[in-house]
Amino acid sequence: AQTVTQSQPEMSVQEAETVTLSCTYDTSESNYYLFWYKQPPSRQMILVIRQEAYKQQNATENRFSVNFQKAAKSFSLKISDSQLGDTAMYFCASLANAGGTSYGKLTFGQGTILTVHP
Amino acid sequence: GAGVSQSPSNKVTEKGKDVELRCDPISGHTALYWYRQSLGQGLEFLIYFQGNSAPDKSGLPSDRFSAERTGGSVSTLTIQRTQQEDSAVYLCASSLVGGTANSPLHFGNGTRLTVT
Repeated sequence: AQTVTQSQPEMSVQEAETVTLSCTYDTSESNYYLFWYKQPPSRQMILVIRQEAYKQQNATENRFSVNFQKAAKSFSLKISDSQLGDTAMYFCASLANAGGTSYGKLTFGQGTILTVHP
Repeated sequence: GAGVSQSPSNKVTEKGKDVELRCDPISGHTALYWYRQSLGQGLEFLIYFQGNSAPDKSGLPSDRFSAERTGGSVSTLTIQRTQQEDSAVYLCASSLVGGTANSPLHFGNGTRLTVT
């Protein structure tokens, strides 16, 4: 079984500043994937960034980067140069690659509401 | 191209009534998923379809919930004898193939179900 925990229900940041959202997970699988999704008020879940557990290098997508600490089972998201459009709920999620197969049975955290202030 | 389309966007129903929620996945996507998001909570997996294989129904919370996918495309999630605890946003997602390592999920905007 997998669990994902986001301990920050709400965060706020000033425009152009940097913010880090925390996520910890637990899994018995040796191979798995981690994701950050963004959910704006439109309700659509948008993939922000993903990380394969076997890769040591932290994933980066433009202003978004992760700090993946495998031993600590920590997967935080850093947003640089925050923009008003980053205001949304952010979900951390995990996916186990069990037996060499994987599909979209993601396990989600409870989410963190991020507000970017002008 | 068009994304995942869900209808209706909002649905209000009386306790005890049946409801049907529809999902049109992205054309060519063989995998389709239903998730439920209760107020202030993360997403809860409900069911997964992959091609012509038997669906993974392990997340359905009770036998009042069922889903089908016709012709490998459109899917309908049916909730019978709705209860107030069924109130939630129901999100549908599709992906090109079943694995998400290289085939991320694309989500629709969801259906907000309110049971009064």
